[in-house]
Amino acid sequence: DIQMTQSPSSLSASVGDRVTISCQASQDISDSLNWYQQRPGRAPNLLIQDVAHLQPGFPSRFSGSGSGTNFALTINGLQPEDVATYYCQQFADLITVGFGPGTKVDLK
Amino acid sequence: EVNLVESGGALVQPGGSLRLSCVVSGFNFSVNWMTWVRQVPGKGLEWVGNIDNDGEETHYGASVEGRFAISRDNAKNSLFLQMNGLRPEDTAVYFCVRGWQWLVSWGQGTLVSVSS
Repeated sequence: DIQMTQSPSSLSASVGDRVTISCQASQDISDSLNWYQQRPGRAPNLLIQDVAHLQPGFPSRFSGSGSGTNFALTINGLQPEDVATYYCQQFADLITVGFGPGTKVDLK
Repeated sequence: EVNLVESGGALVQPGGSLRLSCVVSGFNFSVNWMTWVRQVPGKGLEWVGNIDNDGEETHYGASVEGRFAISRDNAKNSLFLQMNGLRPEDTAVYFCVRGWQWLVSWGQGTLVSVSS
């Protein structure tokens, strides 16, 4: 099974800060990597698919990058509405998927 | 508008069974793979399993394999999760999700609590 790790597990940043979340796969997953945003008390939402493709409805301050085993989600200019937990998810493992443990983003 | 509504969550004793349902609208259910994901309150997401669009192929996570079964009724735009042999560690919110690679639409979840 492919294992996913994320760092940091949580972070606090100020409005306007640039925030970067890392996601690492235990083996090469090419570009089979998505990101989800889960706001408090809500269901997750698909934020970025296939490493870097931002979903409609999300602002361009969100971006994704990486390939192989190392990936990153960047928020350029953190806003209050970005307070959430962010999960990476791989779908390279046949017909199964796996999530990272999540990164909780708070405001300082 | 895409809508997924789960139901059936309840408090159940260890060893018991429960069947969750999910009724969807706003998209062509019969051509979509569907997935169940669960989340222990305050914890991360765990993939439970998925089903192909015809209901002929299913896949499960290791922690539920042999105890849970996913099925669907395309005529009724409905997805099901039959849970047998429930354990306290199955306590979680269960989400019905459209897709299998890209989990594009999520329900609001239904809470299953396993406790004596």
